[in-house]
Amino acid sequence: RKEVEQDPGPFNVPEGATVAFNCTYSNSASQSFFWYRQDCRKEPKLLMSVYSSGNEDGRFTAQLNRASQYISLLIRDSKLSDSATYLCVVNADEKLTFGTGTRLTIIP
Amino acid sequence: EAEVAQSPRYKITEKSQAVAFWCDPISGHATLYWYRQILGQGPELLVQFQDESVVDDSQLPKDRFSAERLKGVDSTLKIQPAELGDSAMYLCASSLGPLVGAFFGQGTRLTVV
Repeated sequence: RKEVEQDPGPFNVPEGATVAFNCTYSNSASQSFFWYRQDCRKEPKLLMSVYSSGNEDGRFTAQLNRASQYISLLIRDSKLSDSATYLCVVNADEKLTFGTGTRLTIIP
Repeated sequence: EAEVAQSPRYKITEKSQAVAFWCDPISGHATLYWYRQILGQGPELLVQFQDESVVDDSQLPKDRFSAERLKGVDSTLKIQPAELGDSAMYLCASSLGPLVGAFFGQGTRLTVV
């Protein structure tokens, strides 16, 4: 089983819709969690950290479910500029492990 | 805004040649990472430094790859000899510590011909 697993997509979503991604992780001792955004042929950029209590940043909401070992990212009122690959990142044993990413395309 | 600096941005090299990449992390960031990313995949950790010490190089192909961070600031990743399969994006990232999010440089896109 991979340490961090994501549905690679692609997700093609109309503008204004709500879209959600999940990511599962295998190490129950994982300590911190993040979502990154990566545009085509660019470097990954930190989108948000994921806290046990869940957190929200504008249209983006991230949640952590330790019991089921998954994290989620919800994007509301999606914009064309949200088109990117979203990478789930898990910190276990002080090492950041990336998922393969979920590709999202927002359609006008 | 502070950034992670990497050079060169692009590198084309012939098979069997040596190649080196340089990274200057955000000032004060003790943790430095080198990742390799193949198109369509997520970044894979090659080596992780805490200050000048290597804390994880389990995925570094040590027969041809080496990395150093001599003074605990900037870092160099070297490949010798380069192979066709080394063509990828090499990303450097830094963070205040291993438990917080990391910030990436723009990467070096390596093509081995």
